[in-house]
Amino acid sequence: AQKVTQAQTEISVVEKEDVTLDCVYETRDTTYYLFWYKQPPSGELVFLIRRNSFDEQNEISGRYSWNFQKSTSSFNFTITASQVVDSAVYFCAFARSNDYKLSFGAGTTVTVRA
Amino acid sequence: GAGVSQSPRYKVAKRGQDVALRCDPISGHVSLFWYQQALGQGPEFLTYFQNEAQLDKSGLPSDRFFAERPEGSVSTLKIQRTQQEDSAVYLCASSLGVLVANEKLFFGSGTQLSVL
Repeated sequence: AQKVTQAQTEISVVEKEDVTLDCVYETRDTTYYLFWYKQPPSGELVFLIRRNSFDEQNEISGRYSWNFQKSTSSFNFTITASQVVDSAVYFCAFARSNDYKLSFGAGTTVTVRA
Repeated sequence: GAGVSQSPRYKVAKRGQDVALRCDPISGHVSLFWYQQALGQGPEFLTYFQNEAQLDKSGLPSDRFFAERPEGSVSTLKIQRTQQEDSAVYLCASSLGVLVANEKLFFGSGTQLSVL
């Protein structure tokens, strides 16, 4: 069975600080997909990124960056120069290659203080 | 509308009452999912529809939970004889295609169900 662990329950930072969210997963599959979703106070989950298991290139999108390390089964997410609007719950998720289901971690609540 | 719409936004039910939660997916989306999110937890898969066919209901907690999508668009999640442990946010999501590996899921804001 697949498992996604987000060890950090809550992180609080001051605006402009960087924040890194950890995600560790367990699987015996060789082909799989990893995701990050953001859940703002309004409730809907917003897709941030999808990464397949064969692509270990790090990715940067604006202030967001992701570090995928297959050797340690980790897919960490960094917000650079955080802003108050980044305050939300962030979920890491896993999907098998031919599946339609997502398995989510418990989430990390990020609070950015002005 | 442009996104996935869920109603009601909040529902308070007395224990033993039946409830019905509605989801309007994005028009043309083939796949529709229901997830249950307990307080402080990540969403847990409940059921999956491909058009009107319910292909997977393995996540439904008990036979008190029933979902339908009769015309392949709007879906309803019904919970009979609600119990306190049913209190959670129920999220609906839709996607254009089938495999989550290739698709972006679009989520609604959820229905927060409180059973007293």
